[in-house]
Amino acid sequence: TQLLEQSPQFLSIQEGENLTVYCNSSSVFSSLQWYRQEPGEGPVLLVTVVTGGEVKKLKRLTFQFGDARKDSSLHITAAQPGDTGLYLCAVGSSNTGKLIFGQGTTLQVKP
Amino acid sequence: DARVTQTPRHKVTEMGQEVTMRCQPILGHNTVFWYRQTMMQGLELLAYFRNRAPLDDSGMPKDRFSAEMPDATLATLKIQPSEPRDSAVYFCASGLKGPERTDTQYFGPGTRLTVL
Repeated sequence: TQLLEQSPQFLSIQEGENLTVYCNSSSVFSSLQWYRQEPGEGPVLLVTVVTGGEVKKLKRLTFQFGDARKDSSLHITAAQPGDTGLYLCAVGSSNTGKLIFGQGTTLQVKP
Repeated sequence: DARVTQTPRHKVTEMGQEVTMRCQPILGHNTVFWYRQTMMQGLELLAYFRNRAPLDDSGMPKDRFSAEMPDATLATLKIQPSEPRDSAVYFCASGLKGPERTDTQYFGPGTRLTVL
């Protein structure tokens, strides 16, 4: 059983469409991170959310942390081919710095 | 622009051979992590170090894998003997662990290992 369940696993859309991906758990977390990984590269941190209900925006990306701090969503407005990649959510231990990653959502945005 | 570097980027070897992967963390970072990524299992933590001391290697097959940090600028991951099931992309990441916050990890580009 995965600590973090991400959905959908795969998403293929046309340029200009909107989309939302989810990261869910039955556990409560003090913070949650979203990473994006492009083909042939390592994951890169997009955002860290720490407060229940928090919403953070990064250009066309909107991240929300659930009120109960058990889940998070990533919404992309007007997706572009450059958004193509693997989106990973991760939670960490404040004591150790160790991160546990979800399985990821693979997004393909077609021109 | 500080980056984590990993060598080699690609490695093809035969079953039974020793494989050594190297990582240079970002200067000043005090935590180093080794991950393995496969389609089936996703990104799995193998081992990590803080201030060069190994803190947790429970994700690593002990009989064939070993991870070390001979100095602050070099981390190594060795597999001996290698097996086809070890084929994966191996990532190194480094971070600066503060006292009360989740670390931000900076990943290297990975080593793609193929064991025939």
